[in-house]
Amino acid sequence: GENVEQHPSTLSVQEGDSAVIKCTYSDSASNYFPWYKQELGKRPQLIIDIRSNVGEKKDQRIAVTLNKTAKHFSLHITETQPEDSAVYFCAASMGGGNKLTFGTGTQLKVEL
Amino acid sequence: GAVVSQHPSRVICKSGTSVKIECRSLDFQATTMFWYRQFPKQSLMLMATSNEGSKATYEQGVEKDKFLINHASLTLSTLTVTSAHPEDSSFYICSARGDARMNTEAFFGQGTRLTVV
Repeated sequence: GENVEQHPSTLSVQEGDSAVIKCTYSDSASNYFPWYKQELGKRPQLIIDIRSNVGEKKDQRIAVTLNKTAKHFSLHITETQPEDSAVYFCAASMGGGNKLTFGTGTQLKVEL
Repeated sequence: GAVVSQHPSRVICKSGTSVKIECRSLDFQATTMFWYRQFPKQSLMLMATSNEGSKATYEQGVEKDKFLINHASLTLSTLTVTSAHPEDSSFYICSARGDARMNTEAFFGQGTRLTVV
């Protein structure tokens, strides 16, 4: 089955700096890669996703890149703000109604 | 985005009793629903996948007789933790995806904090 690895497990940045979180996946059949933000005790919220037919997607301060050959994808957050502090999870899926396999999560802390 | 409602948000029960958690898709038909378990500061671990009208598919190591899943309609799936023990205490989250033919976003319920005493 699919295996998703995520790094780093914790990340501290200064407000205004950029943050990058990286994930790798094992199943070349995966074609859908969402990123979720989860605040303590709350549900994961989708922040951006990418499908395997594109290499990059951007939404304001958030961008995701995908390298299908290397089977890795990354989340980039620019101009970080304190409210960006949360746990971020990457995931991979073969799409449709198939299950998501989650990475282990990254605790992002944006310091003033 | 679509709304998935999960109830209850918190429940405390005694050892040996059963607890039912409901997951509803409020504004779309969820062909497939997923149940996850999350321990503190850890990732979401998939327990089972349920498709409307059929038996759930459980992940390896998950006891199907202990975690009963019913997906009787396109808008409702339930997870029943039977004969609960303190080690079952956890955060349980459901998610739902729409049409299986489409590569759609998964929407999450708000989660249920289960404490077994």
